[in-house]
Amino acid sequence: DVKVTQSSRYLVKRTGEKVFLECVQDMDHENMFWYRQDPGLGLRLIYFSYDVKMKEKGDIPEGYSVSREKKERFSLILESASTNQTSMYLCASSLQGAINTDTQYFGPGTRLTVL
Amino acid sequence: AQSVTQPDIHITVSEGASLELRCNYSYGATPYLFWYVQSPGQGLQLLLKYFSGDTLVQGIKGFEAEFKRSQSSFNLRKPSVHWSDAAEYFCAVGAYGGSTLGRLYFGRGTQLTVWP
Repeated sequence: DVKVTQSSRYLVKRTGEKVFLECVQDMDHENMFWYRQDPGLGLRLIYFSYDVKMKEKGDIPEGYSVSREKKERFSLILESASTNQTSMYLCASSLQGAINTDTQYFGPGTRLTVL
Repeated sequence: AQSVTQPDIHITVSEGASLELRCNYSYGATPYLFWYVQSPGQGLQLLLKYFSGDTLVQGIKGFEAEFKRSQSSFNLRKPSVHWSDAAEYFCAVGAYGGSTLGRLYFGRGTQLTVWP
């Protein structure tokens, strides 16, 4: 089974702090994604990556950056956390270049609270 | 642009009753369609997917979905709901090409409550 793990299930940070959310997948997937989930808004794509050191902006990249130095790891960075970034953050991964390209596998999520 | 609409924000059914969750999509070509389920405090789990072929797709936990191109719909059904089906359900459509390779577009979700 594909396994996607996220470094923390719950995280509490203060306004202005730099925050790192880590995601690791163990199935050699090329694509990785970061979403945020808010009640009534569903999943919104922040950034995604289809190769090491490659990144693409999603729909809401403002206030975030990402890093992908190794194929299995995709980090989301909040340079200066703000209260409006309090949310559930979900990481996902998928294969590339096959009929099952778009099946995304999700981690358990990190619930971030910014005080 | 690709988009997904789930018209029902919240649905309540009695245990043992049938269920249908609606999903409409907008996509210029043949879509790849997915249903995911999210239990409280958890990540998303794939229920089923449609890529091509038979328009009636069977998934896990007794769910099925039917792709209707003429209606741009991919509704999720279950003949008899169990209390453990209470969760949030997300429909998604896949996009291809260029910088959107591998990307999914999600609906806003339908919250399912099951009465005993």
